[in-house]
Amino acid sequence: DTAVSQTPKYLVTQMGNDKSIKCEQNLGHDTMYWYKQDSKKFLKIMFSYNNKELIINETVPNRFSPKSPDKAHLNLHINSLELGDSAVYFCASSQDGINTEAFFGQGTRLTVV
Amino acid sequence: AQSVSQHNHHVILSEAASLELGCNYSYGGTVNLFWYVQYPGQHLQLLLKYFSGDPLVKGIKGFEAEFIKSKFSFNLRKPSVQWSDTAEYFCAVNARTGANNLFFGTGTRLTVIP
Repeated sequence: DTAVSQTPKYLVTQMGNDKSIKCEQNLGHDTMYWYKQDSKKFLKIMFSYNNKELIINETVPNRFSPKSPDKAHLNLHINSLELGDSAVYFCASSQDGINTEAFFGQGTRLTVV
Repeated sequence: AQSVSQHNHHVILSEAASLELGCNYSYGGTVNLFWYVQYPGQHLQLLLKYFSGDPLVKGIKGFEAEFIKSKFSFNLRKPSVQWSDTAEYFCAVNARTGANNLFFGTGTRLTVIP
């Protein structure tokens, strides 16, 4: 009964390919996020979705597109993968409100070769 | 926009030593503050959080943190570390108004030597 689950856990792909990472949360939260963790462990928010509406997009290339079929899912689709996209991508969710915490998934290690 | 600074990049301690990791944030409004831990190869887990009230908050595994508003700081402490505390520690902040996204510090790697 994992709270936030991501698939796949590892993804190795060639430059130029298109790939998707799936995320599901069973916590009933209203907001879901995607974070990117680079090789230096720095975490940066990429997207935030609240009730299927994008509310943050932090200078992310438009090759990255979040897709939210419903409140419990936020998938990340990446077109034309580049070497620099190699990182660990974390999905997270939180409940709306001012006093809430984010719950993170296990992460997806993406390696572009 | 918020920003978070963690000045200790890598801390090495022997078991039973005391720990203090620094965290400073920059934001003019009211914030929520968090410490997350990432064990090797794992996801981020919440250690503790501050929303309001007593500025000294206690978290899991014997960790605590103190919010000092005048210093914009939220330092993490533990009186006696264990080998199992070896991990990456992240301070994070979100604004109590507007979007609820977290801004993270660059992390501090803690290595505890048995």
